[in-house]
Amino acid sequence: EDQVTQSPEALRLQEGESSSLNCSYTVSGLRGLFWYRQDPGKGPEFLFTLYSAGEEKEKERLKATLTKKESFLHITAPKPEDSATYLCAVQAADYKLSFGAGTTVTVRA
Amino acid sequence: DAGVTQSPTHLIKTRGQQVTLRCSPKSGHDTVSWYQQALGQGPQFIFQYYEEEERQRGNFPDRFSGHQFPNYSSELNVNALLLGDSALYLCASSLATSGDTQYFGPGTRLTVL
Repeated sequence: EDQVTQSPEALRLQEGESSSLNCSYTVSGLRGLFWYRQDPGKGPEFLFTLYSAGEEKEKERLKATLTKKESFLHITAPKPEDSATYLCAVQAADYKLSFGAGTTVTVRA
Repeated sequence: DAGVTQSPTHLIKTRGQQVTLRCSPKSGHDTVSWYQQALGQGPQFIFQYYEEEERQRGNFPDRFSGHQFPNYSSELNVNALLLGDSALYLCASSLATSGDTQYFGPGTRLTVL
C-alpha cells in the first residue's frame, strides 16, 4: 500500500527563519509527487509537481526537491503569509493520489 | 479562467439520510476526483471519473457513489449517512493527457448529526 509520511507535524518559525519540511514515501510506480498549500477550511492550492529524482522546482520563497525516497519543501526567509498547512501527495501508476497528513507552518512576525 | 467550483458550501444532515454534492471542473479539464478530508488529516481518495466512467476507487464502502456527466461535471452521493461521514469533501479536476496535476475546489463541509 502506498504511504506518505510528513514531518514535522507542526513548525513554528520566526519571520525570516528558513526551514525545511520532509515528505517520505513508498509507492508502486511513481507517476508524480505533488506539493499543495491549504489554508484552514479551504481546498488545497497546487504548488509543485515533481516527476523524477533530482528534479527541483521553485516559486517565490518555496523550493521543492525530490529523491527516490523523499521530497523536501524548503521555505526561505518566510513571511507571516506563508503560514498554512503544506500537503505532500504521491500518484501511483494506477492514478490514485495518496496524501500525507501535512505539516502546519506558523510564521510569527 | 474559472477554477473548480463545488456546491453547496456547507450542509447539515442527520444519520441515515442521503446527500448529493456537486462539482464543476476547471475549464478544459476532463477528469474529476473526489476526496474526503477529516479534521487534522490529509485528503483520502474516494474515486476518480474519466469519460463518464469510474476509473479508480479508494477504500470507501458502496454507500459512496458518483457520476460524471457529458459536460465533465460530477456528483458524489452518500447514502445512509453515519456520524463518521462528517468531513470536508473535496473535488479535484485534471486533464488526463497533461501530467495529471489535480486542481482542487473549495470543498463542501458536511456535518452529520
